[in-house]
Amino acid sequence: DAGITQSPRHKVTETGTPVTLRCHQTENHRYMYWYRQDPGHGLRLIHYSYGVKDTDKGEVSDGYSVSRSKTEDFLLTLESATSSQTSVYFCAISAGIRLSGSGNTIYFGEGSWLTVV
Amino acid sequence: GIQVEQSPPDLILQEGANSTLRCNFSDSVNNLQWFHQNPWGQLINLFYIPSGTKQNGRLSATTVATERYSLLYISSSQTTDSGVYFCAVERAGTASKLTFGTGTRLQVTL
Repeated sequence: DAGITQSPRHKVTETGTPVTLRCHQTENHRYMYWYRQDPGHGLRLIHYSYGVKDTDKGEVSDGYSVSRSKTEDFLLTLESATSSQTSVYFCAISAGIRLSGSGNTIYFGEGSWLTVV
Repeated sequence: GIQVEQSPPDLILQEGANSTLRCNFSDSVNNLQWFHQNPWGQLINLFYIPSGTKQNGRLSATTVATERYSLLYISSSQTTDSGVYFCAVERAGTASKLTFGTGTRLQVTL
């Protein structure tokens, strides 16, 4: 199993409060991602990182910011949580290497369940 | 962006039956993966298969990149195969970003 740890795993927070989700990897992979999963939408990319301090937006980035100060950690912050951000959040990693047979495989963490009330 | 369509959306099988899940995508891809999400929410890699055919036990997958589809075959299904199967693709020329289909929900009954 890929060494990916998400914290917290479950959180209930109030509307308007800031929330930070943490993803920690032990694989030294270059790429890290945050996805959200909602019924009827599958998984949608929020933000991703291709190196320390190198990040970019995904398709649903509004209301979210990210930071990556170390290879192993990727933080997702909801500056002011809203009820529409109630979701399951998945972190993922990949080596991003296409030369080998499966080097570009993406592995997922176990998810963080966030409820905004 | 690239469109990913999976069919069927729902599937109910008796244990021991075989099934084929399909993934169609709208553009050239660098990467295609199949995932299984179990009832506890874990997303498990099944195959990295941007082209060709692979097999792993009772599961196999084929991607025909030139025709923009991939198939996942499940043989002799078991109740532990239940869950949601996702296809995800990375459009050619993009930087390692997967776009997911909305999944096929499989229920295997005794």
